[in-house]
Amino acid sequence: EPEVTQTPSHQVTQMGQEVILHCVPISNHLYFYWYRQILGQKVEFLVSFYNNEISEKSEIFDDQFSVERPDGSNFTLKIRSTKLEDSAMYFCASTPNSGANVLTFGAGSRLTVL
Amino acid sequence: EDKVVQSPLSLVVHEGDTVTLNCSYEVTNFRSLLWYKQEKKAPTFLFMLTSSGIEKKSGRLSSILDKKELFSILNITATQTGDSAVYLCAGGGAGTASKLTFGTGTRLQVTL
Repeated sequence: EPEVTQTPSHQVTQMGQEVILHCVPISNHLYFYWYRQILGQKVEFLVSFYNNEISEKSEIFDDQFSVERPDGSNFTLKIRSTKLEDSAMYFCASTPNSGANVLTFGAGSRLTVL
Repeated sequence: EDKVVQSPLSLVVHEGDTVTLNCSYEVTNFRSLLWYKQEKKAPTFLFMLTSSGIEKKSGRLSSILDKKELFSILNITATQTGDSAVYLCAGGGAGTASKLTFGTGTRLQVTL
C-alpha cells in the first residue's frame, strides 16, 4: 500500500539551530501538509501546499518555518532557528486532491530541541 | 475558530466490552468528520463521514454522524487488546486544501 515516508525518525538539536525535516508524499498525490503534535497535546495543522505554493497556514507557522518541494518527490519543512517549544512530533501528510479530506500520514519525525 | 471536542479523555475496559467514543465539532464550512486511530506513531484512517444518519461500518468498528447536533460517535464492539490506542476525531472544512482540526483524542486501554 502506498505510504508517506518521513526522515529522520528522530532528531535532537540545540536551540537556535536550523533543522530540515524530509517527507516523500504518495506519488500521485497533489496536496501536501505538515502537522505537529506536542507531547500529550492534540495534532495541530501547520501548513498545506499545492502547486508549489502554500495554500493555507496556521498561526503556528510563523517566519521561522518554511516549506519547499525541491524536486518531484520531496517535501521539506525547515525550522530556521529552533526553540525549546518546537519540540514535537512532526507529521507529513498528503491527499490526491482538494476534495478528499482523508489525509494519509507519515510515521512522523520526532524533534527534540535542547 | 474551529473546534473539536472528544470525550471521554481516557477509558479502560475489559476485553469483550463495547465502547462508545464521542466527538462534537464546530467547523467552518463543514464537509466531513474523520476518525483516526493512533498507536505509537502516525494516525491511521478509520472512517470519513459526510452524510448525517448514515452508519459507516468496518468489522467491529462503526461510526455515525449527526450534522444537526454537530456530533459523531465511534463504537467498538467486542473490544480486543489490539484496540488499545488513542482515537482521534477530526473535522474537515471545504476549501482549497484539506485542513483538519483534531480533537485531543480518547485514550482507550483494553485489558485482559
